[in-house]
Amino acid sequence: EIVLTQSPGTLSLSPGERATLSCRASQIFSSSYLAWYHQRPGQAPRLLIYGASTRATGIPDRFSGSGSGTDFTLTISRLEPEDFAVYYCQQYGRSSITFGQGTRLEIK
Amino acid sequence: EVQLVESGGVVVQPGGSLRLSCAASGFTFNDYTMHWVRQGPGKGLEWVSLITWNGETTYYADSVKGRFTISRDNSKYSLYLQMNSLRTEDTALYYCAKDLGGYTGFDYWGQGTLVTVSS
Repeated sequence: EIVLTQSPGTLSLSPGERATLSCRASQIFSSSYLAWYHQRPGQAPRLLIYGASTRATGIPDRFSGSGSGTDFTLTISRLEPEDFAVYYCQQYGRSSITFGQGTRLEIK
Repeated sequence: EVQLVESGGVVVQPGGSLRLSCAASGFTFNDYTMHWVRQGPGKGLEWVSLITWNGETTYYADSVKGRFTISRDNSKYSLYLQMNSLRTEDTALYYCAKDLGGYTGFDYWGQGTLVTVSS
């Protein structure tokens, strides 16, 4: 099973700033199988990025994903108030799927 | 509009059983793999199980293997999770989620149904 470790655990930033979230895997896998979600309080998760860098339908272009091998990054170029949430990375294996433990993005 | 509506969550004693349901609409249900994902109180997301479009292939997280069974009825646009030998650590909000396709991600989620395992 691939273990995903997200950092930092909590990120405190202000609206308008740039956010960089990291997801590191315990072993190499194809970037095609890496996705990012965010979850606002009391809501279900929402798919942001799949295939490491492809934005899901309706996701604004301030969200971008990159990376390969074991190291992946989600960048939010200019934070909007609605972006403050918990962010999860996910690897989609053939018979097992795992999520990172999450990064909480909070307003500074 | 895609909708996923879970039901069946209740308070159950350790060792008990429960069946969750997920009613789907707004898409061609029998074209897609479906998943169950859970989230313990104040915790992160944990994938539980998947079932392919025709029900022929299922996979489970190690934490539920041998205790939970996923199934679907394409004629009813419904997904199910039979949960047996429940443990306190199974307490969570259970989401059903639609697969985007191609081992990519989950593009639609329900609002979840709460399962509490407690004596």
